[in-house]
Amino acid sequence: DQQVKQNSPSLSVQEGRISILNCDYTNSMFDYFLWYKKYPAEGPTFLISISSIKDKNEDGRFTVFLNKSAKHLSLHIVPSQPGDSAVYFCAASGLKTSYDKVIFGPGTSLSVIP
Amino acid sequence: NAGVTQTPKFRVLKTGQSMTLLCAQDMNHEYMYWYRQDPGMGLRLIHYSVGEGTTAKGEVPDGYNVSRLKKQNFLLGLESAAPSQTSVYFCASSLGLAGLYNEQFFGPGTRLTVL
Repeated sequence: DQQVKQNSPSLSVQEGRISILNCDYTNSMFDYFLWYKKYPAEGPTFLISISSIKDKNEDGRFTVFLNKSAKHLSLHIVPSQPGDSAVYFCAASGLKTSYDKVIFGPGTSLSVIP
Repeated sequence: NAGVTQTPKFRVLKTGQSMTLLCAQDMNHEYMYWYRQDPGMGLRLIHYSVGEGTTAKGEVPDGYNVSRLKKQNFLLGLESAAPSQTSVYFCASSLGLAGLYNEQFFGPGTRLTVL
């Protein structure tokens, strides 16, 4: 059973508009969440993270929102650019869980249409 | 500064053959990891290492062995390949333990097909 879920395998957005990628988790002991971005034929690269003591973290065009009661987080990209087209992985970890592991979701493929 | 490199990039094996995937990092990271990525399943941890000479099992270790003889290298071995091991394999490294709020740096991946 997947502990980190990304229920939308793909998403298409027009350039300049907002992209919203969603992630749900089942383990309430997770306390740290990350987003990784992956281009074809490359490895994932770290994008942004958020601790459970916060409900929002912003870095330029990227903002991650965390709703602990709903066990849900989302990544907002504003404005979306064609170079943002990639697979986005949500991941979770924490001191109170299996601290040696980061659990990854299955990914969402984002296409930003010029 | 090459970061994390993996060799080979592609490989096709027949069932029962063996092979070794090599991962190298030049960031002086203590922690290294091997993941596999399969469609619809995200990245799953195979084995990891918390330092030179150490290895530990991850989520899906069966059918794989690893070694960390040098700090900068982490080898993943398949002794008798099976079609279920067809996957894309990623190596990663981190300064601190990944589960403890540390960013991981990934290699470009190795695409392995087992016929």
